[in-house]
Amino acid sequence: KNEVEQSPQNLTAQEGEFITINCSYSVGISALHWLQQHPGGGIVSLFMLSSGKKKHGRLIATINIQEKHSSLHITASHPRDSAVYICGIGGSQGNLIFGKGTKLSVKP
Amino acid sequence: DVKVTQSSRYLVKRTGEKVFLECVQDMDHENMFWYRQDPGLGLRLIYFSYDVKMKEKGDIPEGYSVSREKKERFSLILESASTNQTSMYLCASSFWGPDTQYFGPGTRLTVL
Repeated sequence: KNEVEQSPQNLTAQEGEFITINCSYSVGISALHWLQQHPGGGIVSLFMLSSGKKKHGRLIATINIQEKHSSLHITASHPRDSAVYICGIGGSQGNLIFGKGTKLSVKP
Repeated sequence: DVKVTQSSRYLVKRTGEKVFLECVQDMDHENMFWYRQDPGLGLRLIYFSYDVKMKEKGDIPEGYSVSREKKERFSLILESASTNQTSMYLCASSFWGPDTQYFGPGTRLTVL
């Protein structure tokens, strides 16, 4: 069983829709990371969180430590949000285990 | 801004060659990481380092070694490249353990 499960694997949305990507994990963690990878390969760290909720622009990340679950929300989605979103869970030394990613396509 | 650079964007090598992938960060980060990314498998940790001359195995260290002689530089070495090491290799760094990781642009390695 994978330690990090993301859902859905693929997601197609219309511009303006509210999007939710889920991440469930099975082990104790120091932190959970959300990454964004655009076509072309560059990876950007969106959030690192260990409790509660963080917001950056139209992106919101939440985590429930007891339920071992995190969500990434995108409000008012836009075609430039099209990317692969990757969840990673971290040990105390930063060694991350990643989910397989969610490929998001936002249509105009 | 943090900058993580990798020595090559694309690299083609022959089976059996020794391959060096270099990663340099300019923000005095303690931790550095090497990942590979493959379709259907996602990102997987090969090795990481939390200090100069220190290294720790990740999930898939077999066939790889690393070197960290200076704080800013972390090298990944394929002693004898094989075709199953064809992949995208990504380097990352962070100020300390569970902190935000900053990724380099990646090196797409093809082993023929």
